[in-house]
Amino acid sequence: ELQLVQSGAEVKEPGESLKISCKKSGYSLSTDHIAWVRQMPGKGLEWMGIIYPGDSDTRYSPSFQGQVTISADKSINTAYLQWSSLKASDTAIYFCARGSLAGMAYDYWGQGTQVTVSS
Amino acid sequence: DIQMTQSPSSLSASVGDRVTITCRASQGMSNYLAWYQQKPGKVPKLLIYAASTLQSGVPSRFSGSGSGTDFTLTISSLQPEDVATYYCQKYNSAPHTFGQGTKVEIK
Repeated sequence: ELQLVQSGAEVKEPGESLKISCKKSGYSLSTDHIAWVRQMPGKGLEWMGIIYPGDSDTRYSPSFQGQVTISADKSINTAYLQWSSLKASDTAIYFCARGSLAGMAYDYWGQGTQVTVSS
Repeated sequence: DIQMTQSPSSLSASVGDRVTITCRASQGMSNYLAWYQQKPGKVPKLLIYAASTLQSGVPSRFSGSGSGTDFTLTISSLQPEDVATYYCQKYNSAPHTFGQGTKVEIK
C-alpha cells in the first residue's frame, strides 16, 4: 500500500535553515506529483507548491514563492521542503500529499511534520 | 488565480440533521473540485473528488454537487463522528487553492 512518511518534529531558532522530507513507499515517486500544505496553529490548510519528481518540474503558490524551496530525489523516492532562514511565523504543521497537475485530488497524505521556530 | 470561499465558516447542527456547506470559486472552473475532512489533530482525508465522486470507503451520507463557480458538500444525516473541519480545494491547474474551512459541530 502507498504510504507517505514524513520526517520528525523540528524545533529551530529564527534564522536557522531546515529541510524536511516526505518519503514515498509502495511504488515509484517519479510517477506522481507531491504537494506541500501548511497548517498554522488553529488555522486552515494552505497550498504551498507541488513537484513532479520525474523531471523536478515545480510550481509554487505566489504566497510561498521565494520563501521555501521544494525539491525531490527520485532515486530514493523522497520529496523535500526547505527553508534557508526560518522565521517564527513558519511555526506550523507541514503535510505532504500525493497530487497531480493533471487533475488528481490528494488521496494520500503524510502524517505531518511539526516545525516550531522559537528563540 | 482563482480564490475559493466557503460558507458558513462554522455551523452547529443536531444529530440526524442535513448539513450543507458551500464553496464558491472567484471565477468559473472545471469540476476539479475536492472536499476534505479534517478531524482535530488528524491528517486531512479525501471525501469527494471531481465535485461529486465519492472516494472509496467514504460513507454514502456524504455527497457533492455543483459546477462552474458554486459547489456544495452535503451530509444527509449528521453523525457524531462527522465533527470536523471541511475544506474544498481546486486541483486542476496550480495553485491548488483550499477554501478557508467550515467547522462542523454537534448541537
